[in-house]
Amino acid sequence: GAVVSQHPSWVICKSGTSVKIECRSLDFQATTMFWYRQFPKQSLMLMATSNEGSKATYEQGVEKDKFLINHASLTLSTLTVTSAHPEDSSFYICSAGQTYEQYFGPGTRLTVT
Amino acid sequence: AQKITQTQPGMFVQEKEAVTLDCTYDTSDPSYGLFWYKQPSSGEMIFLIYQGSYDQQNATEGRYSLNFQKARKSANLVISASQLGDSAMYFCAMREGGSSNTGKLIFGQGTTLQVKP
Repeated sequence: GAVVSQHPSWVICKSGTSVKIECRSLDFQATTMFWYRQFPKQSLMLMATSNEGSKATYEQGVEKDKFLINHASLTLSTLTVTSAHPEDSSFYICSAGQTYEQYFGPGTRLTVT
Repeated sequence: AQKITQTQPGMFVQEKEAVTLDCTYDTSDPSYGLFWYKQPSSGEMIFLIYQGSYDQQNATEGRYSLNFQKARKSANLVISASQLGDSAMYFCAMREGGSSNTGKLIFGQGTTLQVKP
């Protein structure tokens, strides 16, 4: 099946710094990618839809200026958490589709101290 | 607005027995897709099975089958012959627009399944 990678798999940063998470589709092109956030023992919450060559579409309640999304190519989308705070600590997962399936990256665990 | 509901926060099943995980959905779009994913403690999301709204037969993938009851708007996952490795969190998800891969997935709350030896 198709493969989606994420980097880094985990990151610890200090409050106030910015963190960039990469999502790559390794063996297919993805015009659309999705970014989710998951707190422990909770469901995945869609944050935004990343569109290649255009602006991302954010879900209601998600701060555009805090979670910057760039989809510069058909195989790469990046999520930057700007001025991170402890409440941003979470598991971030991206996904991309091929045919009817959605393939998920392995996730990035962000801890803000 | 589309909605997915999983009413079982946690389930136990004896090894080698079958288990049904419930999922109901709500949408006004006649074209939609339903998914089940498994999430072990590692966090990765593992695709299990897909059912399109126009599919005439229930989807099956190995030990997984989807009991699709369109009129009731339910899409329960049946796992046969449970194995210890099936212990994980299971998510039901829906995408409006059917087979389009550009549609977003909306997830249910999840069900934690524990398989007892």
